[in-house]
Amino acid sequence: DAKTTQPNSMESNEEEPVHLPCNHSTISGTDYIHWYRQLPSQGPEYVIHGLTSNVNNRMASLAIAEDRKSSTLILHRATLRDAAVYYCILKSYNTDKLIFGTGTRLQVFP
Amino acid sequence: EPEVTQTPSHQVTQMGQEVILRCVPISNHLYFYWYRQILGQKVEFLVSFYNNEISEKSEIFDDQFSVERPDGSNFTLKIRSTKLEDSAMYFCASSEIFGGETQYFGPGTRLLVL
Repeated sequence: DAKTTQPNSMESNEEEPVHLPCNHSTISGTDYIHWYRQLPSQGPEYVIHGLTSNVNNRMASLAIAEDRKSSTLILHRATLRDAAVYYCILKSYNTDKLIFGTGTRLQVFP
Repeated sequence: EPEVTQTPSHQVTQMGQEVILRCVPISNHLYFYWYRQILGQKVEFLVSFYNNEISEKSEIFDDQFSVERPDGSNFTLKIRSTKLEDSAMYFCASSEIFGGETQYFGPGTRLLVL
């Protein structure tokens, strides 16, 4: 299973942008980059995913490096509700299992 | 918005007892999953299920575990003889298509084995 590396923790102030980095230098051509988050005492929640191009949705943006060896999840304006553990996961098109790492714990301060 | 539901939210059992954890996936979804998270540890994949068959399973999913879709709405995880180390949060998830972009997770069942 392809491995990702994320910082253990990050901090942000409310209403500021947050850039959560992820390194995945061993990514293969069939791997999609998925981001999930887990709010306290809840199940994981899908955030966004992409293959090569940058992606935007109502929750976040995903910036993918040209060589695909790293990506950044961007929360444009952090809210207190965004405090969670964020997981960067590589998933090939031919499997359904999500392999979670330890993720980045994001703290958001008022 | 449709959501995955799980019952019970908490279950306490004695070591060696059988437990059944229940999940109601989103109604038009065809792929179903169980994950678990031991307190303070990573979320771990257990099994995926499609068309009444296991598609993929992890090393954790040994003969003590089984899954079933007994009717058109429920998806269950059975642990035949619980061990202390089975204490964890168990999450059910579902997705509409294979390799689909989103797996929708339920709120989890916290299992405590004494």
